[in-house]
Amino acid sequence: DAKTTQPNSMESNEEEPVHLPCNHSTISGTDYIHWYRQLPSQGPEYVIHGLTSNVNNRMASLAIAEDRKSSTLILHRATLRDAAVYYCILSSYGKLTFGQGTILTVHP
Amino acid sequence: GAVVSQHPSWVICKSGTSVKIECRSLDFQATTMFWYRQFPKQSLMLMATSNEGSKATYEQGVEKDKFLINHASLTLSTLTVTSAHPEDSSFYICSANLPSGGSSDTQYFGPGTRLTVL
Repeated sequence: DAKTTQPNSMESNEEEPVHLPCNHSTISGTDYIHWYRQLPSQGPEYVIHGLTSNVNNRMASLAIAEDRKSSTLILHRATLRDAAVYYCILSSYGKLTFGQGTILTVHP
Repeated sequence: GAVVSQHPSWVICKSGTSVKIECRSLDFQATTMFWYRQFPKQSLMLMATSNEGSKATYEQGVEKDKFLINHASLTLSTLTVTSAHPEDSSFYICSANLPSGGSSDTQYFGPGTRLTVL
């Protein structure tokens, strides 16, 4: 499985934008870029996914580099409820391999 | 939409007993479900892929005779931990695949089941 690299942790202030980076230099042509987040003692929550074009939904935006070797999850206005572990995962035909993710701390 | 439930949310059992965990997709049909395990301070590890009507596919190192998976319908998969021991204590999480065509299927996760084996 293609591997992703994310910072171990990031911090943000409430109501400020947050940009969570992810490197995936070995991505293949059929790999989709998925983002999930997990709160303590809960199952992961789907955030967003994309293939080549930037994507927006009600939760976040996903910016994908032109060469697809990196991507950025954008939370436009962080809230305290956005504090979680964020996982960037490459998926081809359904299977997900979770890395360590980025622990996002949001300060009031 | 795309809600997945698990039951029970937590269970405590004695060493040597078996425990069954249910995973249901409540508002969609899932031909494929997945079972993960998560130890404290660690990431999720995929245990097996469960396909409706066929045998599960286990990841390397996961004992298929210890972790029995049944996917008898399009909305229900069960994981049975047989002869549980303290080292099996973990957070077990299932997910169900919501097909969206091609290779962009999205997994929706259950809330997890905390298993403690005494």
